[in-house]
Amino acid sequence: GQNIDQPTEMTATEGAIVQINCTYQTSGFNGLFWYQQHAGEAPTFLSYNVLDGLEEKGRFSSFLSRSKGYSYLLLKELQMKDSASYLCAAEGSNFGNEKLTFGTGTRLTIIP
Amino acid sequence: DTGVSQDPRHKITKRGQNVTFRCDPISEHNRLYWYRQTLGQGPEFLTYFQNEAQLEKSRLLSDRFSAERPKGSFSTLEIQRTEQGDSAMYLCASSAARTWGTGANVLTFGAGSRLTVL
Repeated sequence: GQNIDQPTEMTATEGAIVQINCTYQTSGFNGLFWYQQHAGEAPTFLSYNVLDGLEEKGRFSSFLSRSKGYSYLLLKELQMKDSASYLCAAEGSNFGNEKLTFGTGTRLTIIP
Repeated sequence: DTGVSQDPRHKITKRGQNVTFRCDPISEHNRLYWYRQTLGQGPEFLTYFQNEAQLEKSRLLSDRFSAERPKGSFSTLEIQRTEQGDSAMYLCASSAARTWGTGANVLTFGAGSRLTVL
């Protein structure tokens, strides 16, 4: 099975930087996804890490350490529209087990 | 392509009734997933298909739940004898199969079907 842990809520200031952490324990692991979900909407893909290290994509970056079972999502130059839930998800590695297992999500609130 | 479509968007039913949800994936995607999400929680895996084959079902999926993907295109999720605990958003997602070991299996989600059981 897989266990994903991430903080339930975070608050940050517009224009600042915030880091959302995620730890995972899995019986088989292929890669780590981050999704963004605005209230009442579908989750949308943000990033994917399969190798250790940092992946940068504009204002968003994601980091993975496979040995530590740890990832983070870094959001820079925060905007009000970044207020959303951020979902960490681990992908299984075995054929027939390639589903994504999601954490509970971190609800991020941006304040002016 | 209009993305992943789900129907109906909202369903209100009485306890004990049967409900069916439909999902139309992105046309070139051969994988289709069903998830359930309740307020304040992340999506919870229910089942997934590769083409018409159902490859995995969650242990959470009781025998009241059944999913089909008869021609490897659209899928239906049926819940029989609904209970109040079934109230949730039912999310469908699709993805394209990748060459083993390369690329990201990115799931594209539909807007969901919200079920309320009274």
